[in-house]
This record gives sequence, structure tokens and C-alpha cells, in this order.
Amino acid sequence: QVQLQESGPGLVKPSETLSLTCTVSGGSINNYYWSWIRQPPGKGLEWIGYIYSSGSTNYNPSLKSRVTISVDSSKNLFSLNLTSVTAADTAVYYCARTDTSMVADAFDIWGQGTMVTASS
Amino acid sequence: QSVLTQPPSVSGAPGQRVTISCTGSSSNIGAGYDVHWYQHLPGTAPRLLIYGHINRPSGVPDRFSGSKSGTSASLAITGLQAEDEGDYYCQSYDSSLSGYVFGTGTKVTVL
Repeated sequence: QVQLQESGPGLVKPSETLSLTCTVSGGSINNYYWSWIRQPPGKGLEWIGYIYSSGSTNYNPSLKSRVTISVDSSKNLFSLNLTSVTAADTAVYYCARTDTSMVADAFDIWGQGTMVTASS
Repeated sequence: QSVLTQPPSVSGAPGQRVTISCTGSSSNIGAGYDVHWYQHLPGTAPRLLIYGHINRPSGVPDRFSGSKSGTSASLAITGLQAEDEGDYYCQSYDSSLSGYVFGTGTKVTVL
């Protein structure tokens, strides 16, 4: 079955760039939407943005100026870059899949999540 | 500040039925965008429970059911079990925000 695995640094200094990768295994990255979602400690879930396998993107307007999501189909992975991080960006970051042919625009498969702390 | 409002907590004894509401507006649920529900147990990845208001993905027990009316949606859990204890979130699309939004989250406690 399809599995997602987030990877990247667990600690990022304020004002620097947070970079995470989500590797897709057990299936193809093609023809799906791939999202990043985060959860700050003690708070709810926040959608960051998505990329379609062809490369088209859509970002949360509140983060749009700082976010870039990219895809590498040859490696079956997609990535998140979040610039100028502050303590408010400290969160568990999840990657997730949307299969519009099966579950409308829901997130049907999630990674386990990775904790990223923004601190000096 | 989420545009989808859920009660902070609900509780029930084993075997009982609980419901979780998700109140939106004319720019999300009321506009006809799909509502989805997720279960988030401690230390695990969120799990899709309901998609498109009422549909269960394969493997989700029929104890979980969804409904929608006007600008609100609800998740019902019947035959509550200890393993159901955790956080539950609704999710939809908001045209004013031009993006996906999650509810504020509800903690389910099994007494």
C-alpha cells in the first residue's frame, strides 16, 4: 500500500528556511494531489498547500508569500520550503495525498509527521 | 482562527452514541463544498473517516457516520469504544479564503 514519509531537519533557526521532503513509496506520485499540513503544539490542523503531480500548485493565502512546494516525479517525492521562519512555525508537519477519483478532495493517506522547531 | 467551529470536547460511556458538530458558513459548507472528517489519535497520523459528507473509506467501521445540513455538518459515533478516544476534525474548502480549512477540533473522551 502507499506510504508517505516526511524527512528533514528537526531544528531550524529563526529567519532561516524550513525544508522538508515527503517520499512516496508503494505507488506512483503521478495523477494525485500532494499536500503539506501542519499542527502547532496544542493547536489544530492547518493546510499549507498542495501540488499536483504535473507541478501546478495552490497555497494557503496566509502563508503564500513564504511557501514553495515542488515535486520530483523521477524520485517519487515532493518537497516543502518555508522561508523566514519564526517560532510560530514550530509544528508537526504532515504530508498527505488526495485521490480525487476516490475520495473527492479529502486527504486519504498521511505521513506519520515530523516535528520541526524554530529556535536559535 | 478557523472558519469551521467544533465543540472543544464531547464524552460518552462505552456503547453510547456521541455527535460532533461542525459549523461553517456560506463560503464553505453552505456553498456546497464537501465536508470530510478525520480521526487523530495520540502519536499517530490523522485518519480519514468520512469524505463527501457521508461516505466511509474502505476499512472504516459503520459505527462512524456523517451528515450535512445547510451550513453545518455532523459526525456521529455509535457504540462508542475506548479506542475511539482522540481528536476529531472536520475539513472543507472555503471560497473566501481560497483554500482548505480544518475545524477547531473536538476531543472525544470515553468515560
